[in-house]
Amino acid sequence: AQTVTQSQPEMSVQEAETVTLSCTYDTSESDYYLFWYKQPPSRQMILVIRQEAYKQQNATENRFSVNFQKAAKSFSLKISDSQLGDAAMYFCASAGANNLFFGTGTRLTVIP
Amino acid sequence: EAGVAQSPRYKIIEKRQSVAFWCNPISGHATLYWYQQILGQGPKLLIQFQNNGVVDDSQLPKDRFSAERLKGVDSTLKIQPAKLEDSAVYLCASSLTFWGSGENIQYFGAGTRLSVL
Repeated sequence: AQTVTQSQPEMSVQEAETVTLSCTYDTSESDYYLFWYKQPPSRQMILVIRQEAYKQQNATENRFSVNFQKAAKSFSLKISDSQLGDAAMYFCASAGANNLFFGTGTRLTVIP
Repeated sequence: EAGVAQSPRYKIIEKRQSVAFWCNPISGHATLYWYQQILGQGPKLLIQFQNNGVVDDSQLPKDRFSAERLKGVDSTLKIQPAKLEDSAVYLCASSLTFWGSGENIQYFGAGTRLSVL
């Protein structure tokens, strides 16, 4: 079984500042992937970044980066130079051999 | 490239009525997923198709929910009869290959918001 926990229901950040969203997970899989998805009010889930568990190097995608701590089962998302368009729900998810398991999400507000 | 298409965007029904949702995946994607997202929660997988065969429907309430993917392309999800607790957003996603390949990425549609009164 897999579980994903996001302990921050809401976060806010000033425009152009940096914010970190937290995620912890538990899995019995030896090979798995971790994801951050963004869900704006339009409801469409958009992939932000992906991390392969067997890779030690943290994934980065432009202003988005992760801090992957495999032993601690922690997978946080850092958003640098926050923009108004970053405001959304952010979901952390894990996937093993089969399907995605999502956390409960963190609502990010960007303050102009 | 066109994304995952879903319709309708919104649906309001009374309890005990039936409802159907439609999904058209990204062209060429073999795997299709239906998720239920209750307000304040993350999406939960209901059913997964590989082409037109069911891979995983362990979380689908089969007494009232059904889904099909004829010809391995479009899919419909039906609820009959609906209950109040079925109020949620129903998301469809597709991926190029079967998830077990490891490199797979799921692409989501905009979902259907169902309100059961």
